[in-house]
Amino acid sequence: GQSLEQPSEVTAVEGAIVQINCTYQTSGFYGLSWYQQHDGGAPTFLSYNALDGLEETGRFSSFLSRSDSYGYLLLQELQMKDSASYFCAYNQGGKLIFGQGTELSVKP
Amino acid sequence: DTGVSQDPRHKITKRGQNVTFRCDPISEHNRLYWYRQTLGQGPEFLTYFQNEAQLEKSRLLSDRFSAERPKGSFSTLEIQRTEQGDSAMYLCASSLAGGPDTQYFGPGTRLTVL
Repeated sequence: GQSLEQPSEVTAVEGAIVQINCTYQTSGFYGLSWYQQHDGGAPTFLSYNALDGLEETGRFSSFLSRSDSYGYLLLQELQMKDSASYFCAYNQGGKLIFGQGTELSVKP
Repeated sequence: DTGVSQDPRHKITKRGQNVTFRCDPISEHNRLYWYRQTLGQGPEFLTYFQNEAQLEKSRLLSDRFSAERPKGSFSTLEIQRTEQGDSAMYLCASSLAGGPDTQYFGPGTRLTVL
């Protein structure tokens, strides 16, 4: 079958580093994307990995290991505004298949 | 603002009524996607277009749902004979085929079926 697994909730303090893991299972895989969604808002694109390795975009980095069917999103120097839901999603021939999301709470 | 736009932002309807939503993608994007999202879940793929051609439709999409993109620009999603289970956020996204094919989402239309 096809699925993605990620933790449902993560809590961290301002200024800290947090890692959100994602494992996937699929028969067709083109790459792993990460989206951020604030309450009531639209999913916003953060990062995309098509190949193994680390992609860095400012405070956010994303990693992919295709052999392990595993990726993670790393958020550094956490800010209160980073409190949101984070979704991993794999691209499958155009469409995105999303995980159920990780709700990140950043505490002062 | 040249992002993806959706109209209306909110729709309340009675069970059994038909509703239609509109999506205007980013102008240079040739792919347009519809997703549905319920509380606490990730977006669920419904269908997508490349230009005016509907390339894929989810098996989860009942015959009451239909989408069009007649001129390869804006798209409409119609739900006929709405049911309470159709209550959800309907999200539209667009992308440029080729390369990373990053999808950019609109603000969504929140549908409530009474």
